[in-house]
Amino acid sequence: DTGVSQNPRHKITKRGQNVTFRCDPISEHNRLYWYRQTLGQGPEFLTYFQNEAQLEKSRLLSDRFSAERPKGSFSTLEIQRTEQGDSAMYLCASSRGATDTQYFGPGTRLTVL
Amino acid sequence: AQTVTQSQPEMSVQEAETVTLSCTYDTSESDYYLFWYKQPPSRQMILVIRQEAYKQQNATENRFSVNFQKAAKSFSLKISDSQLGDAAMYFCAYRSQGAQKLVFGQGTRLTINP
Repeated sequence: DTGVSQNPRHKITKRGQNVTFRCDPISEHNRLYWYRQTLGQGPEFLTYFQNEAQLEKSRLLSDRFSAERPKGSFSTLEIQRTEQGDSAMYLCASSRGATDTQYFGPGTRLTVL
Repeated sequence: AQTVTQSQPEMSVQEAETVTLSCTYDTSESDYYLFWYKQPPSRQMILVIRQEAYKQQNATENRFSVNFQKAAKSFSLKISDSQLGDAAMYFCAYRSQGAQKLVFGQGTRLTINP
């Protein structure tokens, strides 16, 4: 396994701009998760996919956030009209099955100026 | 909703000594999973140890072991023979039997003094 990868690792943007992050899970992992981690806090769940189906979304995921996982492989997380409060580390994780361990990627650190 | 509480924002220990990190959780469920994850500075989160609630035996992984007290809803992590590479943020996490998301505590920053 090559591990979960995320791109970009860092993103600096101006308020009001749109940003998109990509996550590539471990191959053959059919479950993919997005979490957000602000400084000094534990990660908070945003959403999860089983294959290409988005099965759960947190109320933290406002209308400005959208996630996709076409063909059940990589996933993208888009934030529209970014706000300073969106500044955080966005973590992606994947797992093989429902009871299996979630393996995390290195994260994308977003800074909104 | 389930909550996870780590009451120790920071801990420090001398190299080669033993340290225990605390975690308590709140749930009305009987079947669930508990985890300790380690997040080194600027590096990705990795699993340290996991415990299934239906198992009475405490999980152990080399120098890492847990003290799982189901009735008290307590799940502490003991690190024996601490090494410099153990320095990191440690997060306790909970997952319901029927759910997918992890619920994390606030974390404990562990410093290892040489």
